Amino acid sequence: GAVVSQHPSRVICKSGTSVKIECRSLDFQATTMFWYRQFPKQSLMLMATSNEGSKATYEQGVEKDKFLINHASLTLSTLTVTSAHPEDSSFYICSAQAAGLSANYGYTFGSGTRLTVV
Amino acid sequence: ILNVEQSPQSLHVQEGDSTNFTCSFPSSNFYALHWYRWETAKSPEALFVMTLNGDEKKKGRISATLNTKEGYSYLYIKGSQPEDSATYLCAFTGNYGQNFVFGPGTRLSVLP
Repeated sequence: GAVVSQHPSRVICKSGTSVKIECRSLDFQATTMFWYRQFPKQSLMLMATSNEGSKATYEQGVEKDKFLINHASLTLSTLTVTSAHPEDSSFYICSAQAAGLSANYGYTFGSGTRLTVV
Repeated sequence: ILNVEQSPQSLHVQEGDSTNFTCSFPSSNFYALHWYRWETAKSPEALFVMTLNGDEKKKGRISATLNTKEGYSYLYIKGSQPEDSATYLCAFTGNYGQNFVFGPGTRLSVLP
């Protein structure tokens, strides 16, 4: 079945530094990838939609200059948290939609990244 | 803002018990309702994608029903096993498959 690999699974960084999270579709091409964030005891919240070869679409309230998304190929999307602060500490997870399939087929998720900013 | 709710937030059942939980979602502009099973430290695993009112889907001991008119879906687990312990997420997509809106999940613990 479709597999999405997300790295790293855990990262601790110092305040003010940047962290890059990778999301790769291993056995399918993903024209669209989604990035979510989950704070404790809350729902997964969509941050942005990443389309291969074009600019990402950010949800309201998500700073595009802070959360840089790059989707340069059909199998890789990256999320960079720039100048991270402790309030950015959260669980980040990506999902991918296979090229040519509608949303009815669902999306394949990565396993998530636990970011802690100290 | 679309609101997707799940209840209960968590529950504990004994091995062998059957259980069910609820996902509530907006009844207007419905496109699809997704159920995912999410074990700790793993990727959420797709269980069902439901699109038609009255849909009923089954996968082994797990089944789900859908009522789009009143905006709810039930997930049933028959004869719960410890390996069923996970968080069960539902996600709503509106017309034309706009992006998922997730519920907060129901955390199930099955005690041996």
